[in-house]
Amino acid sequence: EPEVTQTPSHQVTQMGQEVILRCVPISNHLYFYWYRQILGQKVEFLVSFYNNEISEKSEIFDDQFSVERPDGSNFTLKIRSTKLEDSAMYFCASRAEQTRGAYNEQFFGPGTRLTVL
Amino acid sequence: DAKTTQPTSMDCAEGRAANLPCNHSTISGNEYVYWYRQIHSQGPQYIIHGLKNNETNEMASLIITEDRKSSTLILPHATLRDTAVYYCIASLGSGGSNYKLTFGKGTLLTVNP
Repeated sequence: EPEVTQTPSHQVTQMGQEVILRCVPISNHLYFYWYRQILGQKVEFLVSFYNNEISEKSEIFDDQFSVERPDGSNFTLKIRSTKLEDSAMYFCASRAEQTRGAYNEQFFGPGTRLTVL
Repeated sequence: DAKTTQPTSMDCAEGRAANLPCNHSTISGNEYVYWYRQIHSQGPQYIIHGLKNNETNEMASLIITEDRKSSTLILPHATLRDTAVYYCIASLGSGGSNYKLTFGKGTLLTVNP
């Protein structure tokens, strides 16, 4: 069964450093998402991406964050200068093309645990 | 998205049906009810969704009240692997291209042997 994959599974970085979290969505999916979950808290939406551009972003997704689909398979989240409060589990998700009258669910990856020291 | 209210936690015996309630009294006519679950430290997983009618798939059944103000997710024969946080989300369905998911705190279902 196709699945979303994410690398690395755990990333430890120093405050102020740049990190890139990588995701490989399911191959025929067209909608891509990043969510994060701070330990013990809710899963929070960060950004959605479609047709090579951001379609929606949350207040969390400020200028320190960026997303990119550099090739036909990868979808990345970059944090330019990490802060302590960026420590969280980051989930990538993808969804197939929306078909009229049908619901195409989001498929989530296993997550990358980011620890900022 | 309409606000949903779920119990913080529930227990269920292995092999018995697990019935997880959700209140969504402010749901609008075109908002669907979606259920996802998150097994510890894993990414959320889609379970089922519905608009007005009751729905069933290989994972679960969804019972929506006639006034649509509440719903119940039913896992007919819970197993230990069903221990997870279950999220009820009320949101627009296939209309928008983004369809972000807005998660609440969900219900922690613990299935006991």
